[in-house]
Amino acid sequence: EIVLTQSPGTLSLSPGERATLSCRASQTVSSSSLVWYQQKPGQAPRLLIYGASTRATGIPDRFSGSGSGTDFTLTISRLEPEDFAVYYCQHYGSSPPAYSFGQGTKLEIK
Amino acid sequence: QVQLQESGPGLVKPSQTLSLTCAVSGYFISNGYYWGWIRQPPGKGLEWIGSIYHRGNTYYNPSLKSRVTISVDTSKNEFSLKLSSLTPEDTAVYYCAKLEYGGFDPWGQGTLVTVSS
Repeated sequence: EIVLTQSPGTLSLSPGERATLSCRASQTVSSSSLVWYQQKPGQAPRLLIYGASTRATGIPDRFSGSGSGTDFTLTISRLEPEDFAVYYCQHYGSSPPAYSFGQGTKLEIK
Repeated sequence: QVQLQESGPGLVKPSQTLSLTCAVSGYFISNGYYWGWIRQPPGKGLEWIGSIYHRGNTYYNPSLKSRVTISVDTSKNEFSLKLSSLTPEDTAVYYCAKLEYGGFDPWGQGTLVTVSS
């Protein structure tokens, strides 16, 4: 089973700043299997990034994903007020199909 | 566009079985894709419960496998979750979602299930 560890647990930044969120896998995974979500209070998660670096439909280009192997990063280039939320990474394993989530990073306004 | 809506009881007693249904609109389940259930205890993270293909192939989280059954009814364009032997630790918001690009998109709004006597 792949375990995903996200860091930091909480990130305090101001609007306009750059945010860098980390997701580390317990073993090497395919980049095609790494996904990022954003979740705001009281809402369902929203798919942001799939295949480690491809933005989902309608996601602003200030969101970008990168990484390979065991280390993946979600970067928000210039924080907008609506970006303060909890972010989760998720891995998809194909044999058999299985899904695991990181514990989340809370991005809060400083 | 595809929309999903969960339905079921908000309160269930310990040891009982939870039954939830996810109604899909904007897409015919019989046309393909995997569909899944995910849960989130209050104030905690996300946990995958299981997934089903339109032809009925199912895959479950090993930690829940002994208590979970997911089924699909293409005539009603919906899929369902049954979780047995409930304990208070099963209290959570339960989401259904469509599987796309190795992730879940879109999601239903979620339904809070409380396990309490």
